[in-house]
Amino acid sequence: GQQLNQSPQSMFIQEGEDVSMNCTSSSIFNTWLWYKQDPGEGPVLLIALYKAGELTSNGRLTAQFGITRKDSFLNISASIPSDVGIYFCAGPPDQGNMLTFGGGTRLMVKP
Amino acid sequence: DTGVSQDPRHKITKRGQNVTFRCDPISEHNRLYWYRQTLGQGPEFLTYFQNEAQLEKSRLLSDRFSAERPKGSFSTLEIQRTEQGDSAMYLCASSLASRGRSYNEQFFGPGTRLTVL
Repeated sequence: GQQLNQSPQSMFIQEGEDVSMNCTSSSIFNTWLWYKQDPGEGPVLLIALYKAGELTSNGRLTAQFGITRKDSFLNISASIPSDVGIYFCAGPPDQGNMLTFGGGTRLMVKP
Repeated sequence: DTGVSQDPRHKITKRGQNVTFRCDPISEHNRLYWYRQTLGQGPEFLTYFQNEAQLEKSRLLSDRFSAERPKGSFSTLEIQRTEQGDSAMYLCASSLASRGRSYNEQFFGPGTRLTVL
């Protein structure tokens, strides 16, 4: 099946630093979604992207839909301790109705 | 929106027992999804409903698993004869296609963590 590969797998940064993470696929996706999950909770939708090249922001978060349609990027500016969590990319494969998720990027922020 | 709710939040059971989980979607969301998430992995799709119709099932959904959404509102997921490999977080999500939003924007509940001893 289609797989989404996220990198890095984990990051340990200082509060105030900017963060970049990405998600790649071997096949084309027409929608990219980014979620954040806190321990013991369900994923929370952060940003949805629908067009190649699209750049969308949500507060300090900015995500981009890659031009090749095979990748997406998430940036967090001026990180704060509450940004700690696991960030997942997701998308519907082959025009399907479910979401395929990447393996996640675990973000840790040092105050 | 009051959000997606799931009950119970935690369930510990012995191998061989049956368990049932409930999901209440965001009101008026006509699609409801079940996912399973094991430690260190992203969620994996199990099945979804549009209104009361179950439209798709993953190969992960063995014969021991059954899901229902009888009135097109809440849903239940039952696992019969639980096995230790069933231990996971079971997540429910819902969505509604509307102006500016597609069905792909799925909103998740807090999950039910199942531990099979």
